[in-house]
Amino acid sequence: GAVVSQHPSRVICKSGTSVKIECRSLDFQATTMFWYRQFPKKSLMLMATSNEGSKATYEQGVEKDKFLINHASLTLSTLTVTSAHPEDSSFYICSARDPGQGGNSPLHFGNGTRLTVT
Amino acid sequence: GQNIDQPTEMTATEGAIVQINCTYQTSGFNGLFWYQQHAGEAPTFLSYNVLDGLEEKGRFSSFLSRSKGYSYLLLKELQMKDSASYLCAVRDRATGAGSYQLTFGKGTKLSVIP
Repeated sequence: GAVVSQHPSRVICKSGTSVKIECRSLDFQATTMFWYRQFPKKSLMLMATSNEGSKATYEQGVEKDKFLINHASLTLSTLTVTSAHPEDSSFYICSARDPGQGGNSPLHFGNGTRLTVT
Repeated sequence: GQNIDQPTEMTATEGAIVQINCTYQTSGFNGLFWYQQHAGEAPTFLSYNVLDGLEEKGRFSSFLSRSKGYSYLLLKELQMKDSASYLCAVRDRATGAGSYQLTFGKGTKLSVIP
């Protein structure tokens, strides 16, 4: 089945630094990937849609200058949290669907990245 | 927009059957997904419904009624490992890449007790 790999799984950084999270589709090509954010005991909230070769589409309320998304190839999307602050501490999850599985194929999720900003 | 409701928490006994309900109000509808999420992990896909009726997959079944904006996930022969959050997610009729976006409910935390 389709596999999405996300790295790192856990990161602790100091306030003001930047953190890059990678999301890879391992056995399929993903022209579109989705970045979600999840606070404790809350639902997954879509942050942005990452489009290969073009600009990402951000959801309302998500700062595009703070959460930089790059989708340089059909198998890799990166999310960079710039100038991180403690309120950015959260669980970030990427996802993609395998177009080869048909129009009704589900989203496959990476294992998530637990970001803690101190 | 989407509005998805599901119970916050449920408790059930090992070996029993539990039904987790989900109601939704959407401007369009293009499928409903159920995901399982263990604490600290990413969601894993369980089932998909786009037409009315019941979809069965082993111990898990999912039902959809589009006219009622209602779905349920049925778990049979509960096991301790089934303790997790269960997320209901709806896909609307947006075109392009947006058609693959999912809006998630807040999840139902299921606790299976001996």
